[in-house]
Amino acid sequence: DTAVSQTPKYLVTQMGNDKSIKCEQNLGHDTMYWYKQDSKKFLKIMFSYNNKELIINETVPNRFSPKSPDKAHLNLHINSLELGDSAVYFCASSQFGQEHGYTFGSGTRLTVV
Amino acid sequence: SQQGEEDPQALSIQEGENATMNCSYKTSINNLQWYRQNSGRGLVHLILIRSNEREKHSGRLRVTLDTSKKSSSLLITASRAADTASYFCATGLTSGSRLTFGEGTQLTVNP
Repeated sequence: DTAVSQTPKYLVTQMGNDKSIKCEQNLGHDTMYWYKQDSKKFLKIMFSYNNKELIINETVPNRFSPKSPDKAHLNLHINSLELGDSAVYFCASSQFGQEHGYTFGSGTRLTVV
Repeated sequence: SQQGEEDPQALSIQEGENATMNCSYKTSINNLQWYRQNSGRGLVHLILIRSNEREKHSGRLRVTLDTSKKSSSLLITASRAADTASYFCATGLTSGSRLTFGEGTQLTVNP
């Protein structure tokens, strides 16, 4: 009965590969997010979807492509992985327009070698 | 530039003591939130304070907000070893908008 679940939890891959991270929430929220946390624990927003529509698209290389098949799912596909993509990627969800906190997944630790 | 900056970056105290963490931000906000992150885990929402509020309590947590100084503080009273974690402030510019996170304070509570 996990609220926001991400898979996989760990991902080790070689440079140049393509990989995907999946996220699902069962809270009935209408908005989902991808955040990147670097080695210094700094969290930066990457994308946000509201009811399957992209509403936030930060300055992220176009090798990163989010997809939201429905409002309960938000996946992240990364092409041609680079060493600098190594980080922890967090999915989160919230209800847009209401002042409540985000609910975060447990993160996916991506290591590019 | 980054919205939230936290101070101190690291704090080490003994169990039973109080811990105070501060957060400063640069632009007008709608709300400010505090999150906890245990090592290797996701962030957990602790408390939200709106821009028209000055103080809020939740259990052993007390949050203050001073919009004139663009700053907030998180006080954890009677700390426990289990409070050891990183604590982040996050600001929302409008209701339901993106959150911008600070750099975090690493709190260590020694038993």
